[in-house]
Amino acid sequence: DIQMTQSPSSLSASVGDRVTITCQASQDINKYLNWYQQKPGKAPKLLIYDTSNLEPGVPSRFSGSGSWTHFTLTISSLQPEDIAVYYCQQYDNLPLTFGQGTRLEIK
Amino acid sequence: EVQLVESGGGLVQPGGSLRLSCGDSALSFSSYWMSWVRQPPGKGLEWVANINHDGSDKYYVDSVKGRFTISRDNAKKSVYLQMNNLRVEDTAVYYCARALLYCSGGTCYFRSWGQGTLVTVSS
Repeated sequence: DIQMTQSPSSLSASVGDRVTITCQASQDINKYLNWYQQKPGKAPKLLIYDTSNLEPGVPSRFSGSGSWTHFTLTISSLQPEDIAVYYCQQYDNLPLTFGQGTRLEIK
Repeated sequence: EVQLVESGGGLVQPGGSLRLSCGDSALSFSSYWMSWVRQPPGKGLEWVANINHDGSDKYYVDSVKGRFTISRDNAKKSVYLQMNNLRVEDTAVYYCARALLYCSGGTCYFRSWGQGTLVTVSS
């Protein structure tokens, strides 16, 4: 199974800050990497697919990059509504696997 | 707006069974792969199963193989998860998710999600 490791596990930042979350895969996943946002008590929501493609309707302050085994999600200017847990997910191989999540809080 | 609505969760004893249902409002339901993803209370996400557009292709995470069965009824725009021989570690919120039009080898990501239904396995 491909292991997905996110860092940090939790993060506190101020409104307007640039925030970066990292996801490391245990092997090359050919850029088959997605990011989801889960707000408290809600279902996950797809933000970015295939490493860097923004899902329609997602604010442009979100962006993704990476290759091979190292990927990042960046929020260019943190907004209060971005408070959530963020998960990466690989779909290069079965079983489909997620990172353990990064909890983002406002300082 | 596209909506997925799950039902069928509840409290069940270890070794028991439950059948989850998910209704989809999308006109093109029969074109999409569908999935179940679960989340134990306070923990992260775990993919459970995928099914292709006509139900002829199914994939499962190892921990549920032989116990869970995913199926669909395109006429009813619904996908199901039959869960047998339930274990305490199956306790989770189960989400129905719409994947893609095509998932090579069952590998997918999830574009739309339902609100989830809680399954609690406890004596």
